[in-house]
Amino acid sequence: GAGVSQSPSNKVTEKGKDVELRCDPISGHTALYWYRQSLGQGLEFLIYFQGNSAPDKSGLPSDRFSAERTGGSVSTLTIQRTQQEDSAVYLCASSRPETGGRNSPLHFGNGTRLTVT
Amino acid sequence: GNSVTQMEGPVTLSEEAFLTINCTYTATGYPSLFWYVQYPGEGLQLLLKATKADDKGSNKGFEATYRKETTSFHLEKGSVQVSDSAVYFCALKGNTPLVFGKGTRLSVIA
Repeated sequence: GAGVSQSPSNKVTEKGKDVELRCDPISGHTALYWYRQSLGQGLEFLIYFQGNSAPDKSGLPSDRFSAERTGGSVSTLTIQRTQQEDSAVYLCASSRPETGGRNSPLHFGNGTRLTVT
Repeated sequence: GNSVTQMEGPVTLSEEAFLTINCTYTATGYPSLFWYVQYPGEGLQLLLKATKADDKGSNKGFEATYRKETTSFHLEKGSVQVSDSAVYFCALKGNTPLVFGKGTRLSVIA
């Protein structure tokens, strides 16, 4: 079946502009995550959506970052007034409902490579 | 808070060599532990997992044992192949979203 789809695959933007990154999770996966992968920094958690619960935004690095998930499916990560340090690969992942807690593996998209010039 | 520390790379091995990538963790409670792999040009994918102490996860010849006494989940493979060249991430999940280590790049040369 279809995996997690992210678009665009690459985005180059000028400093100060806003960008939107899109994620289509696997159908039926109620949990959705955004991570950021920077060179030498590993994967940094940004935000987590689980069903209709309030999202866990504890990883968002600043108020320039926001995300929403409409209809429990597609998610959009928005970065306002981009800065050069925002350059990274932004990864989206989804998983089955977290019933019982911790064992559902994450399925990752191929990411959006963001370059801020 | 929860955290994962894995050995820094890059690691370069000859084909058929033995591989160990160390991973230790800090967590409250009883987390599940994972290894994810990112092959060149591909997305992250689950390699193996273990959900409780003394469990051994295995896949594609790789193994890792959940050691609560040493808070470790080291990845091993007895004989690596060129096709194993990738970045390997150790990860932990407790009552928080998945926490990753910084990744270890493995290069296997023929």
